[in-house]
Amino acid sequence: KQEVTQIPAALSVPEGENLVLNCSFTDSAIYNLQWFRQDPGKGLTSLLLIQSSQREQTSGRLNASLDKSSGRSTLYIAASQPGDSATYLCAVSGNTPLVFGKGTRLSVIA
Amino acid sequence: DGGITQSPKYLFRKEGQNVTLSCEQNLNHDAMYWYRQDPGQGLRLIYYSQIVNDFQKGDIAEGYSVSREKKESFPLTVTSAQKNPTAFYLCASSTTGHSGNTIYFGEGSWLTVV
Repeated sequence: KQEVTQIPAALSVPEGENLVLNCSFTDSAIYNLQWFRQDPGKGLTSLLLIQSSQREQTSGRLNASLDKSSGRSTLYIAASQPGDSATYLCAVSGNTPLVFGKGTRLSVIA
Repeated sequence: DGGITQSPKYLFRKEGQNVTLSCEQNLNHDAMYWYRQDPGQGLRLIYYSQIVNDFQKGDIAEGYSVSREKKESFPLTVTSAQKNPTAFYLCASSTTGHSGNTIYFGEGSWLTVV
């Protein structure tokens, strides 16, 4: 059974800092990996989707990488801003619908 | 506007009562999903449907039921058999199944047992 782990569970950084969020998964037979953002009490917004054949995806200040063979992905956020404060969730899809990690709660301090 | 609409946003359930959460999408997506989120936890799959009149159980289907009579609608009933229903419920949809398409989420429904 696929399991997704995110480290750290929470992170607090000063504004302007670059940061990395980590995601690992146990079964490398995936179709894709997605990173989501969730604001408190809200639904999820998709940030980046990486197909299993891809190594990375970029959107603005966000860059996500995927190493399928080792079961790892990272989300890199450049020049963090207070508006980036949210919970970031990683999820993988394979023969079943998306399996989610528990998320990393990010606080960017002005 | 295109998207997924969940209602109600907040719902209170008495012990022994069944309640139904609504999920409607106008994105013309074939696949729809229901997830449950507990505080500080990730999302856990309750049920999903890849086509009208067909649905499959997820990891935590016990105490829940669904129907998919129309492409745009996927209501979730929380029955009295669900012993700990207090949670945040999220509905989602995607174009075709779960193999490689972006998934879109509604704004969620909060269910509290009183």
